[in-house]
Amino acid sequence: AQSVTQLGSHVSVSEGALVLLRCNYSSSVPPYLFWYVQYPNQGLQLLLKYTTGATLVKGINGFEAEFKKSETSFHLTKPSAHMSDAAEYFCAVGDQGAQKLVFGQGTRLTINP
Amino acid sequence: KAGVTQTPRYLIKTRGQQVTLSCSPISGHRSVSWYQQTPGQGLQFLFEYFSETQRNKGNFPGRFSGRQFSNSRSEMNVSTLELGDSALYLCASSSTTGSYNEQFFGPGTRLTVL
Repeated sequence: AQSVTQLGSHVSVSEGALVLLRCNYSSSVPPYLFWYVQYPNQGLQLLLKYTTGATLVKGINGFEAEFKKSETSFHLTKPSAHMSDAAEYFCAVGDQGAQKLVFGQGTRLTINP
Repeated sequence: KAGVTQTPRYLIKTRGQQVTLSCSPISGHRSVSWYQQTPGQGLQFLFEYFSETQRNKGNFPGRFSGRQFSNSRSEMNVSTLELGDSALYLCASSSTTGSYNEQFFGPGTRLTVL
């Protein structure tokens, strides 16, 4: 069975600092990996995805993530945090061809002015 | 293109009642998935419908059911509501072209069971 572990339920950084949100996955087949963001009282918005090909994936709002098969990781980074990045972030793994996502527990990102 | 819409946005019910939630996918999308989000359990997959057939199912009791209509709109029903059913219910739609089908989420229906 697939699973996702997000390290740190709450991360706090200063505005302008590096954002690093950690995600490790478990999958018996080549995974499809995703990062979603959720703002208060809203649904999920896709930040970026890895399916095949280049292991460094660039997404919206300046975020990127690197797929490391040897470490079973898919950490999310942003070089310089902005106040508008404050939200909850979810890492997810999906089956090929199956419209079922398995999510991590989420990481709440707080940006300090 | 209009996004995924869910109605109603908020619902308050009492224990023992039943509830029906509705989801309209993005035009042209034929797959609709449902997820439950709670503070304790996080985001959990309920089921997925494609062409009016349930294709995948999560680990939820039979009180949770769904259906999909010929226009791809989907409903989910929860019978005999329990306090623990209080949650944000998210619907996601996806197209069926390509090797991977990205899921687009609606804003959710927040269900409160009293």
